Formats: sequence, structure tokens, C-alpha cells
Amino acid sequence: KAGVTQTPRYLIKTRGQQVTLSCSPISGHRSVSWYQQTPGQGLQFLFEYFSETQRNKGNFPGRFSGRQFSNSRSEMNVSTLELGDSALYLCASSFNPGVNTEAFFGQGTRLTVV
Amino acid sequence: GESVGLHLPTLSVQEGDNSIINCAYSNSASDYFIWYKQESGKGPQFIIDIRSNMDKRQGQRVTVLLNKTVKHLSLQIAATQPGDSAVYFCAEEDAGTYKYIFGTGTRLKVLA
Repeated sequence: KAGVTQTPRYLIKTRGQQVTLSCSPISGHRSVSWYQQTPGQGLQFLFEYFSETQRNKGNFPGRFSGRQFSNSRSEMNVSTLELGDSALYLCASSFNPGVNTEAFFGQGTRLTVV
Repeated sequence: GESVGLHLPTLSVQEGDNSIINCAYSNSASDYFIWYKQESGKGPQFIIDIRSNMDKRQGQRVTVLLNKTVKHLSLQIAATQPGDSAVYFCAEEDAGTYKYIFGTGTRLKVLA
């Protein structure tokens, strides 16, 4: 069974640009969560989608947004990029968080803003 | 590596010894916990989980212990191998918010 797939693996963008990251969850998983990982802050929750609905959003500015499609694939978008947005963005796939289910991560997208 | 800062606690162990990695969690109401391993350049990899109705759970070479009284988790790795070198995170499931809360991580270094 295929794991969680994130694309692209690496991105370099300039300040002010926008970026879209993609995540394909494990087949059968309807929940996709996004996390930002930085050396200073560790793993920080961005948002969670389940059956195309955002159920929770972390404490990030409105420049960070996401969506989920009917096939459970998810995208996240960051607009007006800032240097501080440089991070590893991780997508986690699970059957349904909150019911004691495992979350499996993709390899991440390394975003560098210059 | 990509995943952690320079200030991460580090545990250095000799190859073949047992490792114990500790984690304190925040919410006494949390009832599900996961340990992850993250190698440089990769995403976190699921190792083992435990539910709050258990005190101990064993996997292949790994054991997780849960002490709910003091909100403490530990991960024990038996006969530590060079391939175990990585950063280890504990995560608690926040059932009311559909997210996982991660600890800061511990870097495990295996010495040959």
C-alpha cells in the first residue's frame, strides 16, 4: 500500500511569491493534516481536513490556507511568502484523528524563501 | 539534519546498549500517544503507539511505557543499532481538536 506522497520535495521561492504544496494520503484515509517544522518551533499544527472540510486550524496567519478534494488529496497554499516561512512542511494522513488512530507522515516539502 | 534545532537534548549510547528516551506530555485528558522517528531529510516515521488504558506496549526491539499519573512517556530501544540514530518525537492525540501535539524531540546518537 502506497504511503503518503508529498510534492514537490524541494522548493525555492522569493519573498512575496506564493506557493502550493500537494499531499496524497494513504488510500482509504480521509483525514489530512499539515504541520510546519522549523528548528526553533518544532512541529506546529497548521490545519486538518476531513472529507473536504477543515475541522481545525492552527495559529498561523491567513496567508496559510488549504483545501481537500473529494479523493482526499490536499493542497496547502502560502501567499505573500516571508523569509520566516522557510521550513519543512509535513503532511500527515490518518483514518480519523480523535479516535485513537495512527498518523503517517510524508517525506515533506522543504520550502526555502529567499 | 532538517528536523531539529541545535538545542535538542541528545542521548548518546553505545551500539548494543539499551536506550531510553523520555517525554512529558501536556494534557491529562489525552488518551492516545505515538512515538515517531525522524531521520535527516525524511518525514517522521511511526514507531509505536499506546492507548491510555495501557501502561506498556511492546514492539520489535521497542517498548513504550506510559505513566498517566505524572504525564510521562518513555521509549525503550533494545540493543541499539547505528540505524537507530535519529530524532525521536512523542505525540499526543488531542481528541477534541483533531490534531497531534508533538514534543520537542530527542536526538539519539549511537556510538560504534
